[in-house]
Amino acid sequence: GAVVSQHPSRVICKSGTSVKIECRSLDFQATTMFWYRQFPKKSLMLMATSNEGSKATYEQGVEKDKFLINHASLTLSTLTVTSAHPEDSSFYICSARDFSGGRQETQYFGPGTRLLVL
Amino acid sequence: GQNIDQPTEMTATEGAIVQINCTYQTSGFNGLFWYQQHAGEAPTFLSYNVLDGLEEKGRFSSFLSRSKGYSYLLLKELQMKDSASYLCAVRDDDRGSTLGRLYFGRGTQLTVWP
Repeated sequence: GAVVSQHPSRVICKSGTSVKIECRSLDFQATTMFWYRQFPKKSLMLMATSNEGSKATYEQGVEKDKFLINHASLTLSTLTVTSAHPEDSSFYICSARDFSGGRQETQYFGPGTRLLVL
Repeated sequence: GQNIDQPTEMTATEGAIVQINCTYQTSGFNGLFWYQQHAGEAPTFLSYNVLDGLEEKGRFSSFLSRSKGYSYLLLKELQMKDSASYLCAVRDDDRGSTLGRLYFGRGTQLTVWP
C-alpha cells in the first residue's frame, strides 16, 4: 500500500523556537496533503489543506502565521510551528491522498510527530 | 459546520461481535471512512463507503445510509489486539483548494476483555 513518512517522529524544543515537520509520500505523488493535530484521548482536528504549488487553505481558528505550510513538490509538505509555546505541544499527523491507480478513495496517514515544547 | 457523533467508549469480550455507530451532519459528502488508531500511533485505514449498503472485508464490515446520515462498523470474532480507538470520518466534496478534506468524530475507544 501507499506509504507516507514524517520526520522527526519526536521533538522536544524550548519555548520561542521554531520546529519544522516534514511529510513525504514515498511511492506516489500527492498534490494535496493534510495536516492534523491530536490532543491526548481526543480525535484528529484538521488544521489545513496543503496544495502543491499554491497557498495552503487553513481551517477556521488555525493561525496561518503560526503554522506555516509549504508544499514545494509533489512528494513533500512541511509544517513549521513558529515561536512554539507549551500549548503547541501535541501529536501532529499528516495525510496524503493518492489519486493514481484507482486508490483515490483513501487517505494515507504518516506515523505522526510528537512535539513537546518546554 | 460539521458534526460527527460516535460513542466515546465500548467494551466487549474476546470472540464477540461489536457494532460501533456513527451519525453525521455535514455540509458536503463524498464518502465515509473508518480508521483504527492504537495509542500513540497514526490511524490506519479500515473501510470506505460512498454508496448505501454494506461493505465487508474479513472480520470488519461497514454500513452506510446516506439518507439517515448514519454508518456503523461491525467487528466480528473480536481479538485482544482489536482494542483501539475507532474513528469515523466524513470526506468533504471534491472541490477547489480543499480537495476531499476529512472530518473526524472524536473516536470510540474499544476495550476487548479476555
